[in-house]
Amino acid sequence: DAGVTQSPTHLIKTRGQQVTLRCSPKSGHDTVSWYQQALGQGPQFIFQYYEEEERQRGNFPDRFSGHQFPNYSSELNVNALLLGDSALYLCASSIAGYEQFFGPGTRLTVL
Amino acid sequence: AQRVTQPEKLLSVFKGAPVELKCNYSYSGSPELFWYVQYSRQRLQLLLRHISRESIKGFTADLNKGETSFHLKKPFAQEEDSAMYYCALSISGGYNKLIFGAGTRLAVHP
Repeated sequence: DAGVTQSPTHLIKTRGQQVTLRCSPKSGHDTVSWYQQALGQGPQFIFQYYEEEERQRGNFPDRFSGHQFPNYSSELNVNALLLGDSALYLCASSIAGYEQFFGPGTRLTVL
Repeated sequence: AQRVTQPEKLLSVFKGAPVELKCNYSYSGSPELFWYVQYSRQRLQLLLRHISRESIKGFTADLNKGETSFHLKKPFAQEEDSAMYYCALSISGGYNKLIFGAGTRLAVHP
């Protein structure tokens, strides 16, 4: 089991563009959470998906949206990118509220 | 609002010295506290959680509800302990949504 995987590793976009980040959970895990980690900060919770529905959401605008597929993989979409969206985006998977396992992250740079 | 504070951005010690990484939290309910660690070029991973009350890699942490603290301690630091350490809070009923502190970089010198 490769654990939680994320793609792509790095991404460069310009302001106003849209981006989609992908996450495959650890085998057997049904819950996926997304976090944004700005430089020098701890991860900040964006939202969590369980049974293909958004179960919880942090303080992020509607420009941030997501999806979970029947195979439990997930996507994070960000519309109308701002310079301040530049960050490391982490995906974490878990089984129904237990220990979260993190992926390596996707580094997004907005120019 | 729930918040986790790690007052030190960097903690620098020599090998064999005791280590204490500070963590304070703000939450009025029943918290669940964690320490996560990120070694160089590795992903974030769970080090320990207060519920398990175990020692991992020589590290321990005790939840002090009176002082709302969950400091991480190790009596004798090793060079391989050098890493970024994050304290995190999960609120009850939060389906393990984690609230992280800003992190403390521990540098252990030979």
